[in-house]
Amino acid sequence: GEDVEQSLFLSVREGDSSVINCTYTDSSSTYLYWYKQEPGAGLQLLTYIFSNMDMKQDQRLTVLLNKKDKHLSLRIADTQTGDSAIYFCAEVPGATNKLIFGTGTLLAVQP
Amino acid sequence: DTEVTQTPKHLVMGMTNKKSLKCEQHMGHRAMYWYKQKAKKPPELMFVYSYEKLSINESVPSRFSPECPNSSLLNLHLHALQPEDSALYLCASSQAPGANYGYTFGSGTRLTVV
Repeated sequence: GEDVEQSLFLSVREGDSSVINCTYTDSSSTYLYWYKQEPGAGLQLLTYIFSNMDMKQDQRLTVLLNKKDKHLSLRIADTQTGDSAIYFCAEVPGATNKLIFGTGTLLAVQP
Repeated sequence: DTEVTQTPKHLVMGMTNKKSLKCEQHMGHRAMYWYKQKAKKPPELMFVYSYEKLSINESVPSRFSPECPNSSLLNLHLHALQPEDSALYLCASSQAPGANYGYTFGSGTRLTVV
């Protein structure tokens, strides 16, 4: 089947904004998620967006959703070194109970 | 308690050993999941338990055997594993099966098969 695609790597300077992009597969996915994984750790749910929304803001995080293009993005304002991690978008396609992850983006924050 | 607890954190086992991974949550969640994650890859779904019943098996080899003794516990029994089974095994739970509730993940068991 199709993969949920993300760019592999993003490098930013501390204080800059980061934008991580995701192209998902199923237009019927009701919720779309962003997870963060620090080295050697499990997955932390950062935020999610309901499919009838275009944008959701949560403190430093802004999620944008373009349903027509099946495109999801995560913007992190004022990026800090503690934001360095792998970021996964995720969807639950159709009527399944399967949370499917994107390929992951490694965010490196330079001091 | 808002956590999913996995034990052990690290496990090294031989190909003839039998071991078990354990997962526990006390959030009243009725769906629990096992994922496998290889290095530099996204997690891949293995099993879904819904109301203590196995609802999804993603064609996982029989050397992995899941068990859900009650609504708070999920085990993964391992037998005759291969070195390529070395990975991070993640357990997750959600309030109910399906998308709307978000999944809470444990910190994983890092398994090495020698």
